Amino acid sequence: QSALTQPPSASGSPGQSVTISCTGTSSDVGGYNYVSWYQQSPGKAPKVMIYEATKRPSGVPDRFSGSKSGNTASLTVSGLQAEDEADYYCSSYAGSDTYVFGTGTKVTVL
Amino acid sequence: VQLVESGGGLVKPGGSLRLSCAASGATLTTAWMSWVRQVPGRGLEWLSLIKSESDGGTTHYAAPVKGRFTISRDDSKNTVFLQMNSLRTEDTAVYYCTWDYAGSPWDWGQGTLVTVSS
Repeated sequence: QSALTQPPSASGSPGQSVTISCTGTSSDVGGYNYVSWYQQSPGKAPKVMIYEATKRPSGVPDRFSGSKSGNTASLTVSGLQAEDEADYYCSSYAGSDTYVFGTGTKVTVL
Repeated sequence: VQLVESGGGLVKPGGSLRLSCAASGATLTTAWMSWVRQVPGRGLEWLSLIKSESDGGTTHYAAPVKGRFTISRDDSKNTVFLQMNSLRTEDTAVYYCTWDYAGSPWDWGQGTLVTVSS
């Protein structure tokens, strides 16, 4: 199972929006709506920001939104804040009770 | 739910380690649990999943660890384990256990570092 493809980096100024893509195949992202996005700060465990492609857990700001089209999922962070600077990973259910993660994207707030 | 991993440390290539993941705040009985690892400075890699006993308790593995790692659970102790055998230098990573929900790893422990080196 190959890792999902994410851009290595993304950046934006405070208040701007940044969108991160997560490209897989019809066997993972394209085949299921079980796509999640995680935020990971240095030295910390990942935290779920989006699940089932578009849903936000309670407590996650509505600045975070998710979408999916075909084999590509996307995470958009609107109204960027300094605290949003972190690594972001997508994950997808990949069938047969397995998961696959994305390669990760470092988001920098300029 | 809070998850606390333990059992990491330094081991020589070819050696074995057993990681534990103790849960508090909720019972593991109906939970699907996974292990995920992260090489320092690198990305996340899903390793293994175990279903709840009520869902059959079946286990699943990623190709790099299949045949070397074994996931198990003891619901009476609210604990999940990862037995790692035939360890290689490339297994050096922080190992996280996760409580799975909505088709993905959801709650994460703080991780335990495994270093495989001679």
